[in-house]
Amino acid sequence: KQEVTQIPAALSVPEGENLVLNCSFTDSAIYNLQWFRQDPGKGLTSLLLIQSSQREQTSGRLNASLDKSSGRSTLYIAASQPGDSATYLCAVDSNYQLIWGAGTKLIIKP
Amino acid sequence: EAGVAQSPRYKIIEKRQSVAFWCNPISGHATLYWYQQILGQGPKLLIQFQNNGVVDDSQLPKDRFSAERLKGVDSTLKIQPAKLEDSAVYLCASSFRGGRGTGELFFGEGSRLTVL
Repeated sequence: KQEVTQIPAALSVPEGENLVLNCSFTDSAIYNLQWFRQDPGKGLTSLLLIQSSQREQTSGRLNASLDKSSGRSTLYIAASQPGDSATYLCAVDSNYQLIWGAGTKLIIKP
Repeated sequence: EAGVAQSPRYKIIEKRQSVAFWCNPISGHATLYWYQQILGQGPKLLIQFQNNGVVDDSQLPKDRFSAERLKGVDSTLKIQPAKLEDSAVYLCASSFRGGRGTGELFFGEGSRLTVL
């Protein structure tokens, strides 16, 4: 059974720092992995989708990597800004089902 | 392009009452999902539709929850009777799903339910 874990549950860093969020999964047989952002009281916004055949995807200051063999994905945020404060969730597409992590709550201090 | 629309945004009811949530997905998206999200947790899939057929409703509490997707477009999620533990945000999402895999998901803003 696929399980997805995101550690840490919360992270607070000063503005301007580069940071990495982690997502691990137990079964390497995945079709894709998606990273989402959720602002308080809002729905989820898709940030990046990495197909299983890809190693990484980039969008602006965001870079997501995927290592299926080790069951890990990372979301790298460059030059963090207060507006990046949100909860970041990863979801693994496994057997036509999305299996979700609980998210990492990120706070960027001005 | 219009996003996923949900209503109402907020609802407060007494336990044992009923409530209904509505979702209009992005035009052309064949797949529609209803998720329940409890504070501090990831979303939990309640039901997934492909056009107007149910693909997965294995985690839907069928004794109190029901959902339908008429004509493969709009969808309604109903809870009757509500319990205290149903207090959560109900998220609707849609995807094009033109091939294998779920494809990119687009979410609505959610409907926050409080059961007193």
